[in-house]
Amino acid sequence: NAGVTQTPKFRVLKTGQSMTLLCAQDMNHEYMYWYRQDPGMGLRLIHYSVGEGTTAKGEVPDGYNVSRLKKQNFLLGLESAAPSQTSVYFCASSYALTTPNEQFFGPGTRLTVL
Amino acid sequence: DAKTTQPNSMESNEEEPVHLPCNHSTISGTDYIHWYRQLPSQGPEYVIHGLTSNVNNRMASLAIAEDRKSSTLILHRATLRDAAVYYCILRCDSWGKLQFGAGTQVVVTP
Repeated sequence: NAGVTQTPKFRVLKTGQSMTLLCAQDMNHEYMYWYRQDPGMGLRLIHYSVGEGTTAKGEVPDGYNVSRLKKQNFLLGLESAAPSQTSVYFCASSYALTTPNEQFFGPGTRLTVL
Repeated sequence: DAKTTQPNSMESNEEEPVHLPCNHSTISGTDYIHWYRQLPSQGPEYVIHGLTSNVNNRMASLAIAEDRKSSTLILHRATLRDAAVYYCILRCDSWGKLQFGAGTQVVVTP
């Protein structure tokens, strides 16, 4: 099993450009999450999904949109990138919401917005 | 979610035990204590979790104080591969959101 994979691994954008980050999991997990991690800080939840076709806002959702058209994929979109969105983005998935709720994380996407 | 307090960093020699403290004085009765770690340039990975009793697994042990206001993650024999940032997280059982703090940077020297 590949677990959680993320595409791309690195990306540089100019301010105002758009892009989509793809997260895929092959563990048949219902729940998926997008986090961002700024230098020297812990992860912060952007959006999450409790199943195919559903999404919800997390702690820092502004400037991002998400879609979960297929159970195994969770897309994170930036419609108009800003330098403040320079960060490392991690996707995660889990079997359940409640404990035990081990979240499996992908390797991350390093995004720089100039 | 209740807040946790961890030291910024800790150092250990290889093959010695590492005790990572976490204070959570405002923990509620429904909060589980979770530990994750993040190796350099990787996503976090689950280590262990507990509610009231001490817990052991292949990676580590979790010792929880009787009043639950603090806990300690124990790595029994540190290896170079254990060098990572360790996060202590409280999570209410009603919903699985993980709130990460800054964590403890563990440095393992040969």
